[in-house]
Amino acid sequence: NFMLTQPHSVSESPGKTVTISCTGSSGSIASNYVQWYQQRPGSAPTTVIYEDNQRPSGVPDRFSGSIDSSSNSASLTISGLKTEDEADYYCQSYDSSNFWVFGGGTKLTVL
Amino acid sequence: EVQLVESGGGLVQPGRSLRLSCTASGFTFGDYAMSWFRQAPGKGLEWVGFIRSKAYGGTTEYAASVKGRFTISRDDSKSIAYLQMNSLKTEDTAVYYCTRGTEVDDYGDSRTWFDPWGQGTLVTVSS
Repeated sequence: NFMLTQPHSVSESPGKTVTISCTGSSGSIASNYVQWYQQRPGSAPTTVIYEDNQRPSGVPDRFSGSIDSSSNSASLTISGLKTEDEADYYCQSYDSSNFWVFGGGTKLTVL
Repeated sequence: EVQLVESGGGLVQPGRSLRLSCTASGFTFGDYAMSWFRQAPGKGLEWVGFIRSKAYGGTTEYAASVKGRFTISRDDSKSIAYLQMNSLKTEDTAVYYCTRGTEVDDYGDSRTWFDPWGQGTLVTVSS
């Protein structure tokens, strides 16, 4: 089964930059689009990145996404961290057998 | 504004059934694929199932963990998607979210992503 692996947690200070990785277990992560969802405590997920590196309207350009084929991973980078960015972040991609697959989520702490 | 509102959650005993509803507004419901996801307490997100628009006959796909027990349907005249859950297990306890494919007549493949999400409804399976 295709799996996506994320770090359990990351932390960084306000104003700094943080990168969250998402590594595919098999195949090429570049073969299918990766989305990133933000989920604040007690709230539904919202999309911050779609199709690897596209931002929905309303998402600040402090959020960016990328793909690194050499490490078979996707990354979400958040620059100029704000306390409001503190949330769980999930990567998601597609697998022909299991359809929409998520990483386990990364808890971002902005301290 | 596109809105999705789930309802129908609650406490149910193992082996029993429950039907969730997702009421949509702010868009032409019949043109879009809909999907259900869930999140067990303190856990990550899991895809549950997907229903295509009428352009693809409203066909469905399901995660292996619910296939044969859960059924997704839609009533385009009422702008409602349903998740019928039968033979419920304790491991089905979760917040269930309804979402929409972002493109008209999404078939449901690697190009499909989902937005917005409803606020979720909690299903607790316990005796």
